[in-house]
Amino acid sequence: EIVMTQSPATLSVSPGERVTLSCRASQSVNSNLAWYQQKPGQAPRLLIYGASTRATGIPARFSGSGSGTEFSLTISSLQSEDFAVYYCQHYNNWLFTFGPGTKVDIK
Amino acid sequence: QVQLVQSGAEVKKPGSSVKVSCKASGGTFSSYGISWVRQAPGQGLEWMGGIIPIFGTAKYTQKFQGRVTITADESTRTAYMELSSLRSEDTAVYYCARFGVAVEGENWFDPWGQGTLVTVSS
Repeated sequence: EIVMTQSPATLSVSPGERVTLSCRASQSVNSNLAWYQQKPGQAPRLLIYGASTRATGIPARFSGSGSGTEFSLTISSLQSEDFAVYYCQHYNNWLFTFGPGTKVDIK
Repeated sequence: QVQLVQSGAEVKKPGSSVKVSCKASGGTFSSYGISWVRQAPGQGLEWMGGIIPIFGTAKYTQKFQGRVTITADESTRTAYMELSSLRSEDTAVYYCARFGVAVEGENWFDPWGQGTLVTVSS
């Protein structure tokens, strides 16, 4: 079983700051890694798939990188609408595992 | 663009069952998969299982094996998740989400349904 971990659990940030969230897999997942954003009371929204490809309509300030076991999501300049919980997910051939999430809140 | 619309909130007694629906409008239904993910209050996301409607065979994570049944009706473009022997710990929001199956490795979840709150209480 592949275990996904995320760090930090919570990040307090000011608007306009650059933010980097980390996700680690217990074994290599190649580039089968997605990032989702979830705001309170809403369903998760796909941000990044294939570790680094932005989903349709996702602003360019969101970028993903990494492969194998280490991944990161960077928000280049945090906007007010970006305060949310971010989940990474490994996906491949009926193996779907989410990380515990990183909450980005206002400093 | 495909949109997934789920059935409304449910309140159930312990020991009973609940069946949640997920109807697809627009886009393609049968040649994609539908997964079910649950989120307990204040907690993270947990994959329960899924189905590829064109094949009809569902797969479940071990935790829910024997208690969950996922089905799909291609004629109505609707997927269903039934969870039995409900207990208070099953109180959660249940989401459906579409995933690709045509190409290996293209299995991310997009889009998601709006979620269905299931409350288990005596």
